[in-house]
Amino acid sequence: GQQVMQIPQYQHVQEGEDFTTYCNSSTTLSNIQWYKQRPGGHPVFLIQLVKSGEVKKQKRLTFQFGEAKKNSSLHITATQTTDVGTYFCVLRSGGSNYKLTFGKGTLLTVNP
Amino acid sequence: GAVVSQHPSWVICKSGTSVKIECRSLDFQATTMFWYRQFPKQSLMLMATSNEGSKATYEQGVEKDKFLINHASLTLSTLTVTSAHPEDSSFYICSADGQGRTSPQHFGDGTRLSIL
Repeated sequence: GQQVMQIPQYQHVQEGEDFTTYCNSSTTLSNIQWYKQRPGGHPVFLIQLVKSGEVKKQKRLTFQFGEAKKNSSLHITATQTTDVGTYFCVLRSGGSNYKLTFGKGTLLTVNP
Repeated sequence: GAVVSQHPSWVICKSGTSVKIECRSLDFQATTMFWYRQFPKQSLMLMATSNEGSKATYEQGVEKDKFLINHASLTLSTLTVTSAHPEDSSFYICSADGQGRTSPQHFGDGTRLSIL
């Protein structure tokens, strides 16, 4: 099945710095979802992208879907300690009998 | 918003014990639920898809006789880890299908299973 590669695996930043995580696939994706998992918590849905070249913003978070629909990114501007957690890109595939395939995730830590 | 309740949140038991984990959709009906396993500092790995009223669909490499799934109603799926051993220690998380094709998954809080 389709797989998504996510980099970097870890990222440590100073509070106020920007952060970006990237998700890549060798095949065209129908969609890409992003989830955030706080330490000890469960994944929480952030957004879904479906259109080529799509850009969506949620306050300090900017999500992009590549023109070829083979890559996606999540950018956080001016990180805060509340941004700490693991960010996963997730592929929803399979039509009506779908399933979610998680990328390996990027663990973000923020130094106050 | 949609809420998924998972119980228990933490289990510690002896090797050889069978452990049942419950996943409930509290304010919506879930014809499909998913069970994941997550090792420390790793991603979520789908174990199986639980379908109400029918057999679960297991991912490759997951032993169906080891991890029994029952989805007897539209609001409850259970995962039973049979004859658990230390290597089964992990974080187990369920999720439920939201309403509509583009709706997100709603995850339970997870169950941390430790086998001594």
